[in-house]
Amino acid sequence: DAGVTQSPTHLIKTRGQHVTLRCSPISGHKSVSWYQQVLGQGPQFIFQYYEKEERGRGNFPDRFSARQFPNYSSELNVNALLLGDSALYLCASSLIGGNNEQFFGPGTRLTVL
Amino acid sequence: AQRVTQPEKLLSVFKGAPVELKCNYSYSGSPELFWYVQYSRQRLQLLLRHISRESIKGFTADLNKGETSFHLKKPFAQEEDSAMYYCALSGYRNYGQNFVFGPGTRLSVLP
Repeated sequence: DAGVTQSPTHLIKTRGQHVTLRCSPISGHKSVSWYQQVLGQGPQFIFQYYEKEERGRGNFPDRFSARQFPNYSSELNVNALLLGDSALYLCASSLIGGNNEQFFGPGTRLTVL
Repeated sequence: AQRVTQPEKLLSVFKGAPVELKCNYSYSGSPELFWYVQYSRQRLQLLLRHISRESIKGFTADLNKGETSFHLKKPFAQEEDSAMYYCALSGYRNYGQNFVFGPGTRLSVLP
């Protein structure tokens, strides 16, 4: 198993555009969480999904949304991009939701110009 | 507010010296505390969690509810311990499950 995979690896967008980031969890894991990590800071929690339902949400504006598919993969969508959205976006999967051990992916580096 | 603080951005110690990475948290209730580690060019990974009470790679961490601390300790540092360490808590808030990470401490173990 390759572990958690994320695509794309890098992405460059301009202000006002929207972006979709993708995450495939470890086989058998039913929960996916998303984090934003700005350079020099710790990861900031955005969402947790378990069995296709949102189970937790961090302090992010409504421009951020996510969903989980029947195969447990997930997408994070960000609309009306701002310069401040430039960050590394991490996906983590776990067997079930809650505070189970999370396994992190390599991240998607988003740059907003 | 739910918060995790790690006062040291960088901690340098010599090989064989004791290490203590500090972590304090604020949470009204009983959170679960974790230490995550990121070695160079690797993914973020769980090091240990307070409920398991394990010693991983020689590291231990004790939850002190009175001082709201969860410091990470190792009696004898090794060069391979050099990495970025994040303290994190898991709890609940209005919107369900919540995770809060600290800003991280970079540990550098010198030969």
